[in-house]
Amino acid sequence: QKEVEQNSGPLSVPEGAIASLNCTYSDRVSQSFFWYRQYSGKSPELIMSIYSNGDKEDGRFTAQLNKASQYVSLLIRDSQPSDSATYLCAVNGGGSQGNLIFGKGTKLSVKP
Amino acid sequence: DGGITQSPKYLFRKEGQNVTLSCEQNLNHDAMYWYRQDPGQGLRLIYYSQIVNDFQKGDIAEGYSVSREKKESFPLTVTSAQKNPTAFYLCASSPRPGSNSPLHFGNGTRLTVT
Repeated sequence: QKEVEQNSGPLSVPEGAIASLNCTYSDRVSQSFFWYRQYSGKSPELIMSIYSNGDKEDGRFTAQLNKASQYVSLLIRDSQPSDSATYLCAVNGGGSQGNLIFGKGTKLSVKP
Repeated sequence: DGGITQSPKYLFRKEGQNVTLSCEQNLNHDAMYWYRQDPGQGLRLIYYSQIVNDFQKGDIAEGYSVSREKKESFPLTVTSAQKNPTAFYLCASSPRPGSNSPLHFGNGTRLTVT
């Protein structure tokens, strides 16, 4: 059974701080990794994709991937109250179907 | 604007009734998916389709049925055989199956069965 694990939180950080969200996955053949943000009652929206080891930066967001450790993380710099949401880690399950496997999400709360 | 449209946004049904959730996309994507989300849970795959007139069961297909008669449309029927149908249902698409592309999601349908 392929799994994606995340701490459920809640993770609480003060406004302006760095929020660090972590995710581990079980399938070594996974090739693509995604972070989605989901506000309460809304559908997930894609915020970062990462495909190779290392860091990928996009504005205040940085995704980090370590395939050897089967670990992917998301850093949010200068956190804002509007970043308060649940963050879902998704991993490509491999094979021809390419189905994504989702973690249960980490709830982030940014306090003003 | 291209996107995925799910309707209705909210749906209420009595136990024992079948109900069909609509999903339409104008992104010209080949692959479409249905996920279910329960409070505090991740997304669980119900069914997916890689091409017109073909679809595959996901992890929790029991009590659900789908069709893919057109590339743009992938409706989901929640049958009376589904034991706990109340949930948030999300439709998604991607350009090609196995393409390492992310999924694009519709706005979801919240189904309540009493």
